[in-house]
Amino acid sequence: GDSVTQMEGPVTLSEEAFLTINCTYTATGYPSLFWYVQYPGEGLQLLLKATKADDKGSNKGFEATYRKETTSFHLEKGSVQVSDSAVYFCALTPGGGATNKLIFGTGTLLAVQP
Amino acid sequence: GAGVSQSPSNKVTEKGKDVELRCDPISGHTALYWYRQSLGQGLEFLIYFQGNSAPDKSGLPSDRFSAERTGGSVSTLTIQRTQQEDSAVYLCASSFASTNEQYFGPGTRLTVT
Repeated sequence: GDSVTQMEGPVTLSEEAFLTINCTYTATGYPSLFWYVQYPGEGLQLLLKATKADDKGSNKGFEATYRKETTSFHLEKGSVQVSDSAVYFCALTPGGGATNKLIFGTGTLLAVQP
Repeated sequence: GAGVSQSPSNKVTEKGKDVELRCDPISGHTALYWYRQSLGQGLEFLIYFQGNSAPDKSGLPSDRFSAERTGGSVSTLTIQRTQQEDSAVYLCASSFASTNEQYFGPGTRLTVT
C-alpha cells in the first residue's frame, strides 16, 4: 500500500542554520503531498502542500518540491528560528478519487537552539 | 472563524468502560476524518465521512470502534470495552469536499487505566 518514509529525528540545529528534512513516498496513483507541523502543546497544522509533479509548496519560509522521478518531497528552510522547533510530518493522500485519508510519516522532531 | 473543536480534551477511563469522543467540524466542511496518534503506531487514519455517502471505515482497528455523523455536522467516535492499547490522542479533521486540505482539531487524549 501507499506509504511515507521520513528521516529519523531529532534534528538539532542552531538558529539561522539551513534545514532539510527528507521525505520519500510510495504510491500507486498520483498522490497529493503535504507537510504538517505540530508545535509543542498544539494541534496539527497544515504547513504546505503540492498536488502534482514539479509543484513547489511554500509557506513561512519553508519549501518543498514534488519530485516524481525520485518520489520525494523534502522540506527545506534557509534560516531556521527557535520558533520553528516542532514535530514535522510528511503525508500524502492517494490519488485516483479514493478517500482523501492522510497517510503520515513517523514525524521528525526539530529542535532549534539560540 | 472557529476551527475544529473536540471534547473532552482529556478522558481517563477504566479498562472495560465505553467512551464517546465528540468532534465539531468547521462550518461548511462536508468531509470529516478521525485519526489516532499514539507513540507506538504514529498517526493512523480511522474513519472518513463525506456528505451522505457511506463512511469509509477501513481504518477502524476493531469492531469495538464505531462512529456516527449526525446531520452532516457533529461526529461522535465511540470505543466500547476500552483496552489499555486504546490509549492515544484521537484527532478529528475536516475539509471541503473539493479540496484535500484537512484542518485538525486539538485532539482528545484518552488514557485507559
